[in-house]
Amino acid sequence: LAKTTQPISMDSYEGQEVNITCSHNNIATNDYITWYQQFPSQGPRFIIQGYKTKVTNEVASLFIPADRKSSTLSLPRVSLSDTAVYYCLVGDLASGGSYIPTFGRGTSLIVHP
Amino acid sequence: DTAVSQTPKYLVTQMGNDKSIKCEQNLGHDTMYWYKQDSKKFLKIMFSYNNKELIINETVPNRFSPKSPDKAHLNLHINSLELGDSAVYFCASSRPGGAAPLHFGNGTRLTVT
Repeated sequence: LAKTTQPISMDSYEGQEVNITCSHNNIATNDYITWYQQFPSQGPRFIIQGYKTKVTNEVASLFIPADRKSSTLSLPRVSLSDTAVYYCLVGDLASGGSYIPTFGRGTSLIVHP
Repeated sequence: DTAVSQTPKYLVTQMGNDKSIKCEQNLGHDTMYWYKQDSKKFLKIMFSYNNKELIINETVPNRFSPKSPDKAHLNLHINSLELGDSAVYFCASSRPGGAAPLHFGNGTRLTVT
């Protein structure tokens, strides 16, 4: 079962900063938080990953509060090409102790001109 | 060079038929996955293999049988196809470990008529 909750959809305009928040109240001590981006007719693509505090790369920033029960993906100055579905993923354990990469419902971001 | 490749890209078939989807990764990863994405865009994990051994089987009907001839390949065979099997099937791979990012193929769109 997915353990994450995200807004179903968001709208923005070109040049704005977009923040997408994911709730993961039951995150385990060893879990990492990973975000993926999916364009139509393509597989999800890794964007950013973090464990705590803040992580930044050339694409986005990831903010994680101290309790780690949520995380926020920040996309600076979005463009039309950032229109996609964004998934928040948190680690999980199967009955055999194996890791299950479990996706949430995703947030459909539409960037308007 | 495509990292994770799936064939075919599109598959249209009738109910009751048997079909296979192939997946190959050239990233040297030990772990491979199959996901199913339905019309509501929910990404659900089906199987996970680590070094050719099944480690996750998420309550998938017995009609679905994964086969891993070597750690670079994870094929999906589906018997007695049903209308509800229509979806996009994604193959993915990763290094072992819960924090390792997934690398996805571009999907196989299966339509059962």
